Amino acid sequence: EVQLVESGGGLVQPGRSLTLSCEASGVTFEDHAMHWVRQAPGKGLEWVSGISWNSGRTGYADSVKGRFTISRDNAKNSVFLQMNSLRPEDTAFYYCGKDLVPAAATAIQSWGQGTLVTVSS
Amino acid sequence: DIQLTQSPSALSASVGDTVSIACRASQNVDSWLAWYQQKPGKTPKLLIYKASILESGVPSRFSGSGSKTDFTLTIKNLQPDDFATYYCQQYDGYFQVSFGGGTKVE
Repeated sequence: EVQLVESGGGLVQPGRSLTLSCEASGVTFEDHAMHWVRQAPGKGLEWVSGISWNSGRTGYADSVKGRFTISRDNAKNSVFLQMNSLRPEDTAFYYCGKDLVPAAATAIQSWGQGTLVTVSS
Repeated sequence: DIQLTQSPSALSASVGDTVSIACRASQNVDSWLAWYQQKPGKTPKLLIYKASILESGVPSRFSGSGSKTDFTLTIKNLQPDDFATYYCQQYDGYFQVSFGGGTKVE
């Protein structure tokens, strides 16, 4: 059974940084692209970022471009999201997701339980 | 960026009904569209990808159709477990992904 476990969320002041981690188990990690998707409380889903199996391709939503950086470490079965210059509107549950395929962004087949990021002074 | 517009934003239905949810893309996405179900307090669940391919384990009462800019998720014989919020998602293969605003089935 695939398990994705996010960590690193918490309360952070505007303008500060935070790094989220997601560790996968029960899956051949390097066979899949990975994504981060967020959901503000009571709101809809917003795709944040994605990365191909070998880190050769990445993508970002316009709302986070230039502030967030996605990376992965296949040896540790982990994907990361470095978030800089955080804003109150970045407050959300952040979900890690496993793509159907390795090299492209397609559908997100498996999801973690999420980690809450709250940006507030 | 490709925008996805779902309609309606909410609908009322009863067990046994057939419901349809529309998703319109602001430009051609071919068949690169997925549908998800999300229940309160739970993570999204993939139902359909490539517009019409049912994910393994998803009941056959769910179906997807459409191409280019207009897509539909249909749920036949609505079951109590199907009352949830549904999202469409487009993907272009190049890591530019977006979700629709969601449709709540209540």
